[in-house]
Amino acid sequence: EVQLVQSGAEVKKPGESLKISCKGSGYSFTTYWIGWVRQMPGKGLESMGIIYPGDSDTRYSPSFQGQVTISVDRSITTAYLQWSSLKASDTAMYYCVRRSSGSVFDYWGQGTLVTVSS
Amino acid sequence: QSALTQPASVSGSPGQSITISCTGTSSDVGGYNYVSWYQQHPGKAPKLMIYEVSNRPSGVSNRFSGSKSGNTASLTISGLQAEDEADYYCSSYTTSNTLVVFGGGTKLTVL
Repeated sequence: EVQLVQSGAEVKKPGESLKISCKGSGYSFTTYWIGWVRQMPGKGLESMGIIYPGDSDTRYSPSFQGQVTISVDRSITTAYLQWSSLKASDTAMYYCVRRSSGSVFDYWGQGTLVTVSS
Repeated sequence: QSALTQPASVSGSPGQSITISCTGTSSDVGGYNYVSWYQQHPGKAPKLMIYEVSNRPSGVSNRFSGSKSGNTASLTISGLQAEDEADYYCSSYTTSNTLVVFGGGTKLTVL
């Protein structure tokens, strides 16, 4: 069974750093792109970027380029999303997704709620 | 402003059929058969319902169907049930450097 299990909710202050994780299992981790999707409170879905675990090829949507870093550790089949300096506007639910051909997000993690507040 | 345009809300009575539209451009919806639809219940992660315009993943009810004409894709739900009440999002492959674009979402209310 394909599973993406994300790390737990986080409460941070503006300016702090953060790294959240997404562990994949039940499939060949290195042969599917992993993506991150943001959902701000009461809003829609936004694709942030994707990474190919096989060679760590990473692509960012323009709105998120330079704002976050996506990485992967193949040895533990885990992808990461990190911020070096959080802002209040980063408050959102973040989902990791498995991307299949045709840009289909066929499996979703349960989501990680990030709250940034002073 | 989302790249793909969806109606903010639709509604229908149990047993009826509804259709949700998703309008893009020739750089996304109109140019490729890579439109997907996702269902999201409150407080839950989205779930894939339709991929490649009209294909259903295993386990998704055949009451859900997808189609496309030009730059507009559509999701039709027939025989509406109370459990279908949720937000629905379309997405498409795009030639822009965002890689994939989402619609703004449509709230389905089952009356």
